Amino acid sequence: NAGVTQTPKFQVLKTGQSMTLQCAQDMNHNSMYWYRQDPGMGLRLIYYSASEGTTDKGEVPNGYNVSRLNKREFSLRLESAAPSQTSVYFCATTAVGSGELFFGEGSRLTVL
Amino acid sequence: QKEVEQNSGPLSVPEGAIASLNCTYSDRGSQSFFWYRQYSGKSPELIMSIYSNGDKEDGRFTAQLNKASQYVSLLIRDSQPSDSATYLCAVTPPYSGGGADGLTFGKGTHLIIQP
Repeated sequence: NAGVTQTPKFQVLKTGQSMTLQCAQDMNHNSMYWYRQDPGMGLRLIYYSASEGTTDKGEVPNGYNVSRLNKREFSLRLESAAPSQTSVYFCATTAVGSGELFFGEGSRLTVL
Repeated sequence: QKEVEQNSGPLSVPEGAIASLNCTYSDRGSQSFFWYRQYSGKSPELIMSIYSNGDKEDGRFTAQLNKASQYVSLLIRDSQPSDSATYLCAVTPPYSGGGADGLTFGKGTHLIIQP
């Protein structure tokens, strides 16, 4: 029972490169989220998807795009990475109407 | 602007004592309140949720909510070294249907339990 799986766990990019973070959940939850966590800044919501086929911006969406591929998968894409996007990225899910988030293990991204 | 404030710590507590973690929030009318625990290098995990004024107990953990004063606290009794972690307070806004899209996190309190 994997819960929420993120890939890759670690990635180093050069400025201007692109990459996609993948997230898959087997909890049958409708809602999925992407957060970033930076020292001293706490967890900040990048994008979320309340259900399959819908996506919405969170607090810090600039520089990112998302795709809700199906109910299970929600990907986060950096089209042109910048050093300011160096962070730990967490994917999370909730059941409908719940504030209880289930997190993946995180993806640590470094942009040089 | 929604704000959730926590003392960043570190908060150092002797083993066996009570650890008290506090959180204040700015959005009066906020509906739901959560405490997440995050070990170093790991992802957050939910340990307590509270929705109405008063105390809610779960094992060694007690969450306390006072909506009039806009604060929520977490008490950890008989603290153990394994409780050493960062504790994140999270709050949903008044308009929330209960989902996590409006969830605002505090920056967390780093708790150290000294053996």
